[in-house]
Amino acid sequence: RKEVEQDPGPFNVPEGATVAFNCTYSNSASQSFFWYRQDCRKEPKLLMSVYSSGNEDGRFTAQLNRASQYISLLIRDSKLSDSATYLCVVNPKDSGGSNYKLTFGKGTLLTVNP
Amino acid sequence: SQTIHQWPATLVQPVGSPLSLECTVEGTSNPNLYWYRQAAGRGLQLLFYSVGIGQISSEVPQNLSASRPQDRQFILSSKKLLLSDSGFYLCAWSRAGGPGQYFGPGTRLTVT
Repeated sequence: RKEVEQDPGPFNVPEGATVAFNCTYSNSASQSFFWYRQDCRKEPKLLMSVYSSGNEDGRFTAQLNRASQYISLLIRDSKLSDSATYLCVVNPKDSGGSNYKLTFGKGTLLTVNP
Repeated sequence: SQTIHQWPATLVQPVGSPLSLECTVEGTSNPNLYWYRQAAGRGLQLLFYSVGIGQISSEVPQNLSASRPQDRQFILSSKKLLLSDSGFYLCAWSRAGGPGQYFGPGTRLTVT
């Protein structure tokens, strides 16, 4: 099983649609979870952290299910500017307890069409 | 606020030539620093990380090396580039125990 596995995509959706990305991780001791977005030929940017209780930031909702080792990202009312690759990122536990060695999924490409 | 700089933005180098990529961070002290590579169509691969001046950990065997001569400066080097070294090189920083890493704009390297 890959360390972090995402929907392969690509996703093509119309403006205003709701789109969901799923991700699974293999290390049950993983401590921190994130979603990043990466625009074409640009650096990844931290979109949001993912907490066990679930968290929301405007149109974006992230959820974590530790028992199933599953992370999700929901985008509501999608905009053209949401077009990007979305990366699921996991911080496996290490002896230092710090956030070294983030493990990145390969990403899912989203295209929002007018 | 914190900012991270990388240069050059793009680079075309012949096989066998040396490499030096530089990364600097402003607005924070004692950050953790990271070098990643993203090859075309592939995920991010962690190459090196550093928790302090002179402290470098290597994640994968390769012909690259890293150095951290100052607290907020991280350098990626090679004595002789290979074709397989082509890719998008990203520097990132994080707080010692903080949530998430923040990336610089990257250097796109093409080895010919």
